[in-house]
Amino acid sequence: SQQGEEDPQALSIQEGENATMNCSYKTSINNLQWYRQNSGRGLVHLILIRSNEREKHSGRLRVTLDTSKKSSSLLITASRAADTASYFCAWDTGRRALTFGSGTRLQVQP
Amino acid sequence: KAGVTQTPRYLIKTRGQQVTLSCSPISGHRSVSWYQQTPGQGLQFLFEYFSETQRNKGNFPGRFSGRQFSNSRSEMNVSTLELGDSALYLCASSTRLAGGQNEQFFGPGTRLTVL
Repeated sequence: SQQGEEDPQALSIQEGENATMNCSYKTSINNLQWYRQNSGRGLVHLILIRSNEREKHSGRLRVTLDTSKKSSSLLITASRAADTASYFCAWDTGRRALTFGSGTRLQVQP
Repeated sequence: KAGVTQTPRYLIKTRGQQVTLSCSPISGHRSVSWYQQTPGQGLQFLFEYFSETQRNKGNFPGRFSGRQFSNSRSEMNVSTLELGDSALYLCASSTRLAGGQNEQFFGPGTRLTVL
């Protein structure tokens, strides 16, 4: 993608393990957000991190942002089968339109 | 508070037809954005409406249009449908707060299939 990438494209882990997804973008941003999508349904907002923040936590989620490297990572700790979904990063450049990464498909095996 | 609703949830059309999709935002939200999701192109921004005015537009042909009503409900229309328009169309609403905290809440989407 010319806008950014997520890696890995797919990730399969066992319940209880941690899952890490990475996102890279190419422009200056106001904030970066992570969304979850279950099997072609709508997107569920997980967490927003502002450009002046480096790390943010929400429950089992930990997000980091490195604006110098134009990258972010999402860590899901102690994963559960219910975490199986696609995860997307999206960034806001101030133009009010979100630009989305290509997504990571996470499969958590029970 | 009710979430974003989209109707219909599924739609099948044939090439050349037109289609109208509807989105009702969360109560109090005045901004509605539309996105198209396809396996090949991923999630792409179509347009945003705020206070009945289109504020931002993505890189889509003029066959894609939209509007917003005074109650913030929004519709998008696709004319002269093509096979490539088959996609999941997602609507998102936000309060459009200042300061770059543009948290958007998405609806379940409308799955459009063009035959």
